[in-house]
Amino acid sequence: NAGVTQTPKFRILKIGQSMTLQCTQDMNHNYMYWYRQDPGMGLKLIYYSVGAGITDKGEVPNGYNVSRSTTEDFPLRLELAAPSQTSVYFCASRGGRGTYGYTFGSGTRLTVV
Amino acid sequence: GDSVTQMEGPVTLSEEAFLTINCTYTATGYPSLFWYVQYPGEGLQLLLKATKADDKGSNKGFEATYRKETTSFHLEKGSVQVSDSAVYFCALSEPSGSEKLVFGKGTKLTVNP
Repeated sequence: NAGVTQTPKFRILKIGQSMTLQCTQDMNHNYMYWYRQDPGMGLKLIYYSVGAGITDKGEVPNGYNVSRSTTEDFPLRLELAAPSQTSVYFCASRGGRGTYGYTFGSGTRLTVV
Repeated sequence: GDSVTQMEGPVTLSEEAFLTINCTYTATGYPSLFWYVQYPGEGLQLLLKATKADDKGSNKGFEATYRKETTSFHLEKGSVQVSDSAVYFCALSEPSGSEKLVFGKGTKLTVNP
């Protein structure tokens, strides 16, 4: 099983550019999440989805957008990139209620210059 | 809102030393508690979990007990190895629609031979 796959692994953006971080899972999980990890700050939830067609904001959604047209895919869109969005981004998924533990992707390291 | 507080790092130990990483939480309900581990350059992996008071989670020689009276979930290992060098995150998940994880800031552990 591939688990949770994130692409790209690294990216450098210029201020004002846009990009989409891809996330795909092959475990038929309903729940999917996007976190960002800043040094010494743990992980902060950006957006999450409890199933195809359903998304909601997390703790730090400003500057980001998501969509969930299929169970497998949960892309994160950055519009008008800013230096404050320099971070490592992790996508994660989990099964339904009563299952425990997330499966994380290996992350995307984004630098905005 | 929910929150998780971990002991500040970094922590440096010699091989075979005893490890404790403190974790306390604040939650409105009855959360599930987790420890995740992140090895350099990788995503997070579930290390252990506990879903109700007095449960003990264990894996790879690590243990943590869910203490509701002290709202704590301290991570312990009796004899650490160089391969345990990583960042450790304590996290909680409330039973809710999103079942999202709330993370502590992480504790970096370095084990020297």
